[in-house]
Amino acid sequence: DAGVIQSPRHEVTEMGQEVTLRCKPISGHNSLFWYRQTMMRGLELLIYFNNNVPIDDSGMPEDRFSAKMPNASFSTLKIQPSEPRDSAVYFCASSLGPQGYEQYFGPGTRLTVT
Amino acid sequence: GESVGLHLPTLSVQEGDNSIINCAYSNSASDYFIWYKQESGKGPQFIIDIRSNMDKRQGQRVTVLLNKTVKHLSLQIAATQPGDSAVYFCAEMGTGRRALTFGSGTRLQVQP
Repeated sequence: DAGVIQSPRHEVTEMGQEVTLRCKPISGHNSLFWYRQTMMRGLELLIYFNNNVPIDDSGMPEDRFSAKMPNASFSTLKIQPSEPRDSAVYFCASSLGPQGYEQYFGPGTRLTVT
Repeated sequence: GESVGLHLPTLSVQEGDNSIINCAYSNSASDYFIWYKQESGKGPQFIIDIRSNMDKRQGQRVTVLLNKTVKHLSLQIAATQPGDSAVYFCAEMGTGRRALTFGSGTRLQVQP
């Protein structure tokens, strides 16, 4: 089992640029979660999907953030335009059922916006 | 508002000793709890979970205890090893929700 796969692992970009983070959940898992981790705010849920449908996006900071899940094996989190305060580690997690139990996390993408 | 917190930000133990990491939560509607271990540069790793209809659950070298009366959760690690050094997070999920709310984390340092 390859686990949750995220790419890129590190991203450095300039303010104003578009950033796209990618996630491949564990095969067979039908719930997918995007989290953001910072020193100040810890781990925060941004959005989650069940069967490729966004269920709750109340954690998305603002309109600059968007997430899609075009199929069961792929999701993207896009930031456009990026700002320095978006610098954080972004994690993707997946779980088997719709309840969100036993969420397994990917290695994360460390985003630095200069 | 809902919150999940930890009593001790840093815990230092000797190798071979047992470790206890504590967590308090405030949401009385929480019905699912989970512990994660996060090593530097890695994503949170699932350790053990427990549902509100239980008060104890054991895994390999780990035990989670849940006291719903005082809204307290603990993670016990037996015979702590250097590889256990990491930040440990508790998280909770309320009835009907599917999103985890994470605590601030406790750093466990194992001294050889």
